Amino acid sequence: GAVVSQHPSRVICKSGTSVKIECRSLDFQATTMFWYRQFPKQSLMLMATSNEGSKATYEQGVEKDKFLINHASLTLSTLTVTSAHPEDSSFYICSARGRTGELFFGEGSRLTVL
Amino acid sequence: AQSVSQHNHHVILSEAASLELGCNYSYGGTVNLFWYVQYPGQHLQLLLKYFSGDPLVKGIKGFEAEFIKSKFSFNLRKPSVQWSDTAEYFCAVSTSGTYKYIFGTGTRLKVLA
Repeated sequence: GAVVSQHPSRVICKSGTSVKIECRSLDFQATTMFWYRQFPKQSLMLMATSNEGSKATYEQGVEKDKFLINHASLTLSTLTVTSAHPEDSSFYICSARGRTGELFFGEGSRLTVL
Repeated sequence: AQSVSQHNHHVILSEAASLELGCNYSYGGTVNLFWYVQYPGQHLQLLLKYFSGDPLVKGIKGFEAEFIKSKFSFNLRKPSVQWSDTAEYFCAVSTSGTYKYIFGTGTRLKVLA
């Protein structure tokens, strides 16, 4: 199946710094990518829809100034957590929509903010 | 607002037992339905999907699911589970024409050898 890769898989940062997470579709072009946040023992919460060449669409309650999303090419979307705080610590997962409509998921990135 | 409910949060079965995981959604229009599996330490993988046609969908690894429109359900089944099926299973729904998925809370399945 299609491959989606996230980097880094784990990142630890100090409070107040910014962290960038990359999501790449390795063998297909993805005009639409999605960013999710997964809390321990809970489901995936959709944060935003990333559209190539246009602004991301954020879900209600998600701060767009804190979670900056850029989808500059058909194979790359980035999520930047700005001025990170301990409550931003979480597992962030991206996905890309394949040609037939299903989503392919990245491995996830675990962010720990000290 | 759309929502997806998975009623079984934790399921423990012995090998060779039959499995059925419930999934109900709330949305009155046309939907696309999915089951994803997350094995320990791995990323989410698609088990099966329903877009249209035969409401009984067969997926990988012997899993199947049946879409019952009148019940707003898409339950996952497997006649005989294996130890390797131990994982977390997520039901997801997207409305036709959009690609925004809503996930259920997941069901953790543990299969005892």
